[in-house]
Amino acid sequence: DVKVTQSSRYLVKRTGEKVFLECVQDMDHENMFWYRQDPGLGLRLIYFSYDVKMKEKGDIPEGYSVSREKKERFSLILESASTNQTSMYLCASSPEYSEDTQYFGPGTRLTVL
Amino acid sequence: AQTVTQSQPEMSVQEAETVTLSCTYDTSENNYYLFWYKQPPSRQMILVIRQEAYKQQNATENRFSVNFQKAAKSFSLKISDSQLGDTAMYFCAFMNTGNQFYFGTGTSLTVIP
Repeated sequence: DVKVTQSSRYLVKRTGEKVFLECVQDMDHENMFWYRQDPGLGLRLIYFSYDVKMKEKGDIPEGYSVSREKKERFSLILESASTNQTSMYLCASSPEYSEDTQYFGPGTRLTVL
Repeated sequence: AQTVTQSQPEMSVQEAETVTLSCTYDTSENNYYLFWYKQPPSRQMILVIRQEAYKQQNATENRFSVNFQKAAKSFSLKISDSQLGDTAMYFCAFMNTGNQFYFGTGTSLTVIP
């Protein structure tokens, strides 16, 4: 089975802090994605990556950056956390050029005080 | 850009009954994929069912089936013999040939004992 893990299930940070959310997948997938999930808004794509050291902006990249130094790991960075970044963050991965689904991690619920 | 619309924020169904969740989408592409995902409370998002746009036959997975109407750009999910474990948030998703996913805002389904 594909396994996508995220470093924390719950995280509480203060405004202005730098926040790292880590995601690791064990199926050698090329594609990795970061979403935020908010009630009534569904999932919105923040950033995605199709290969190591590659990144593409999604629909809502402002206030976020990403890093993909290794194929299995995709990190989401909040340079200076703000209260409006309080949300559930979901990581996903999928194979390259495939009609296959995305596989999701368990999510990280981030609260910024 | 593609959009996915789920017009039912919340639904409920009696145990053992049948329920249909609606989803419409907008695209100018001819080849694409459609998915229904299930996110149980505090649990990981998982794939329920997928449909290739080039296939006319509706996909089925045990108690889950879809009604895919390509011309109408409609992709509804039918759950038969509803069980308590079906209580979850359900997301409809569209994937284009570039592997980009677009999600609806979700439908929260409650199965009532």
